[in-house]
Amino acid sequence: EVQLVESGGDLVQPGGSLRLSCVASGFRFNSQWLSWVRQAPGKGLEWVASIKQDGSGKSYGDSVKGRFTISRDNARNSLYLQMNSLRVEDTAVYYCARGAGCDYWGQGILVTVSS
Amino acid sequence: DIQMTQSPSSLSASVGDRVTITCRASQGISNYLAWFQQKPGKAPKSLIYAASSLQSGVPSKFSGSGSGTDFTLTISSLQPEDFATYYCQQYYSYPFAFGPGTKVDIK
Repeated sequence: EVQLVESGGDLVQPGGSLRLSCVASGFRFNSQWLSWVRQAPGKGLEWVASIKQDGSGKSYGDSVKGRFTISRDNARNSLYLQMNSLRVEDTAVYYCARGAGCDYWGQGILVTVSS
Repeated sequence: DIQMTQSPSSLSASVGDRVTITCRASQGISNYLAWFQQKPGKAPKSLIYAASSLQSGVPSKFSGSGSGTDFTLTISSLQPEDFATYYCQQYYSYPFAFGPGTKVDIK
């Protein structure tokens, strides 16, 4: 069974930093693209970033480019999202998902940016 | 960047109705299109990938079609558990983008 479990969400002040983690199981981790998707309260889904199998290719949405960094550790079956210079508008539930087409999703983790 | 639109933004339907949701890309995306269902407070669930391929375990009442710029998701006979918000997503080129969603509720 494919499972994705996010952690690391918290309340953080504007300008602060946070690192999200996602641990995967139930599939061959190093053969899959991985993605982060977020959803602000009451809003739709927003693609944040994706990373290729070996970590060599990464891409970001315009709203997070230059502030967020996606990375992975294939030995630990783990995906990460380093979020710097956080803004109030980054407040959202963050999901990790398998693949560019997001065929499996984690349960989501809440990040709140507020003073 | 490729923009995704969906229509309608919401619809009211009855149990047993056939429902069709449309997704349009601002430029051609071949068949790199996925559909998702999301219920309140839950993570999205993948229904369709590659525009028309049904994800494992998804009932056959869901179907997808289209290629290029115009796509549809059809629910053949709406059931109570199908009332939810539906999103399309293109994964043809960066930045990957979701449509704004279509909320399906009970008439």
